[in-house]
Amino acid sequence: TQLLEQSPQFLSIQEGENLTVYCNSSSVFSSLQWYRQEPGEGPVLLVTVVTGGEVKKLKRLTFQFGDARKDSSLHITAAQTGDTGLYLCAGAVGFEYGNKLVFGAGTILRVKS
Amino acid sequence: SQTIHQWPATLVQPVGSPLSLECTVEGTSNPNLYWYRQAAGRGLQLLFYSIGIDQISSEVPQNLSASRPQDRQFILSSKKLLLSDSGFYLCAWSEAYSNQPQHFGDGTRLSIL
Repeated sequence: TQLLEQSPQFLSIQEGENLTVYCNSSSVFSSLQWYRQEPGEGPVLLVTVVTGGEVKKLKRLTFQFGDARKDSSLHITAAQTGDTGLYLCAGAVGFEYGNKLVFGAGTILRVKS
Repeated sequence: SQTIHQWPATLVQPVGSPLSLECTVEGTSNPNLYWYRQAAGRGLQLLFYSIGIDQISSEVPQNLSASRPQDRQFILSSKKLLLSDSGFYLCAWSEAYSNQPQHFGDGTRLSIL
């Protein structure tokens, strides 16, 4: 059974600070996806990383996939109050017709003004 | 563009009553479909996935079942709800190829009394 450990579970920071969220596993994933979720809504896809060592940037967010495709990180520069939410990483496990996602437990981010 | 709809948005049911949650996808054909359950502010647990009509795979033995009577319709059911069935249920779809991201509906908040 694949597991994805996400840390920290909760993060409360001031506006303008930087932060990093980590996802680690002993399993190899075919890709890794990061989602952001607001209360009462479904997760919204932020990025998919596929290649080991891949780095993707989305404005102030930087996503990295580990060389061995077992871990990933999300770094936010100069956090804003609008970044508040639940961040989820999900590793893709392929099967013949697609993939199943193994989710981390999530990081609740609160950015204070 | 593709859209996914879930209903109802919220549901309050007594213990022992039946359940039917519905999910439909528009703008795509032969998608992979998924049902997840999410504990408050935490990660998602995959319950069922489907690669086609009447083709359902169960990930976790439980009190729930899923059906796919039409290509873009996915239904989550129970004959008798338990207190432990309370939670936030999310439907998702993806293109039927590896590494394609999953896209989520807005979920159903189910409370069992």
